[in-house]
Order: sequence, then structure tokens, then C-alpha cells
Amino acid sequence: GAVVSQHPSRVICKSGTSVKIECRSLDFQATTMFWYRQFPKQSLMLMATSNEGSKATYEQGVEKDKFLINHASLTLSTLTVTSAHPEDSSFYICSAREGLAGGLNTGELFFGEGSRLTVL
Amino acid sequence: GENVEQHPSTLSVQEGDSAVIKCTYSDSASNYFPWYKQELGKGPQLIIDIRSNVGEKKDQRIAVTLNKTAKHFSLHITETQPEDSAVYFCAASKSLGAAGNKLTFGGGTRVLVKP
Repeated sequence: GAVVSQHPSRVICKSGTSVKIECRSLDFQATTMFWYRQFPKQSLMLMATSNEGSKATYEQGVEKDKFLINHASLTLSTLTVTSAHPEDSSFYICSAREGLAGGLNTGELFFGEGSRLTVL
Repeated sequence: GENVEQHPSTLSVQEGDSAVIKCTYSDSASNYFPWYKQELGKGPQLIIDIRSNVGEKKDQRIAVTLNKTAKHFSLHITETQPEDSAVYFCAASKSLGAAGNKLTFGGGTRVLVKP
């Protein structure tokens, strides 16, 4: 199946700094990417939907100024956690959906391996 | 919006036995139901999915059933092996063919297969 790569897989940062996480679709073009957050022993919670070339759509309760999402190309979306605090420590996972002509998609979502953020 | 409930939250089975996980959804417009397996420290991996135009789908030891009337779907793993131990998530979404539609996940089931 298609491959989605996330980088870094682990990151530790000091409180108040910003951290960028990259999500790349390696062998397909992803017109839509999704960013999830997962706390220990919990389910995946959708944070935002990232569409190439346009602004991301954030879920209710997710601060768009804190979690900056950029989807500048068909193979790359980035999530920047700004002014990170310990409560932002979590497992962040992206997924990508292959885009087809006419705005249709294959349906299947391909997930990255996740990025574990620890804020000290 | 869509709400997906998943049960049980934990499941312990003896190697070789079957495991069944059940999910219910609230939005009758949902028409795509994937199941994901997540191992510790990794992202979810799709193991099987079903669409609303079929009632059952099987892939080797894994099968999924869908009851649209009752709005529930189930994952069945037969002849379980220790490597099946993981967290399993069900999910639901609608309008599969349209761009940008999103999945709603169940709470997850931690499966432990005891050798």
C-alpha cells in the first residue's frame, strides 16, 4: 500500500518553544491530509483537515493559532505546535488520502507512524 | 456529528480462540467502515474495511460484518495468534467518494492473545 512518512518520530522540547512535524506521502499525491492527536490509551482525535493550497479546517476546540498547519504541496503537510507546553505532550499522527481527478478519492486513508512530542 | 462506540475496551483471549469486537455508529449516512490495528508506538494500519453496500467481508482470519439497520458492525478474528495482540480501532465516515470527508474513531479495544 501507499506510504506516509512522518518526521520526527520523537521530539523533546522545552516549554515555550515551537516544534514542527512533517507528514509526507511518498508514492502518491495527497490532496487531503488529516492530523490527529492521541493521548495514552485513548483513541485518535481529529485536530484538523489539511487541503493542499488552502487553509486547514480545524475541529471544534482546536486552537488554530497554536497548531499551525501548512499543506503547501501535494506530498507534504506540516504541523507546528507553537509555544509548546507540557499539556501539548502527545502522540501526533497524520494520515493522507490519495486525490483523483474531479475531486474524488480512493477512500482509504494511509497513516504515518506518528510523532511523539514531549514538552518539558 | 457522527458518534462511534466500541466494545469491549479490553479483550483477553487464549491463542487459537476467536476475538470479536463490536461497534455502533449514530449517523445513518455513514457508508464506509474501516478497522485499524495499532501496535505500541506506531500509527494505525488498515486491516479490513467494509462499505455499506455489502453485509460481510472476509480476508483470511479476519472478517467484518455490517448491519445497516441496527447501525452496528463487528470485527471477527479467528484462530488468534500472539502477534494479533494490539489495539484495534473501528471507524466510520460518509460520502466516501467526496474529497475531504473524515473518519470518526471508536474508543479502541486492547486485545491480548495469551499463548
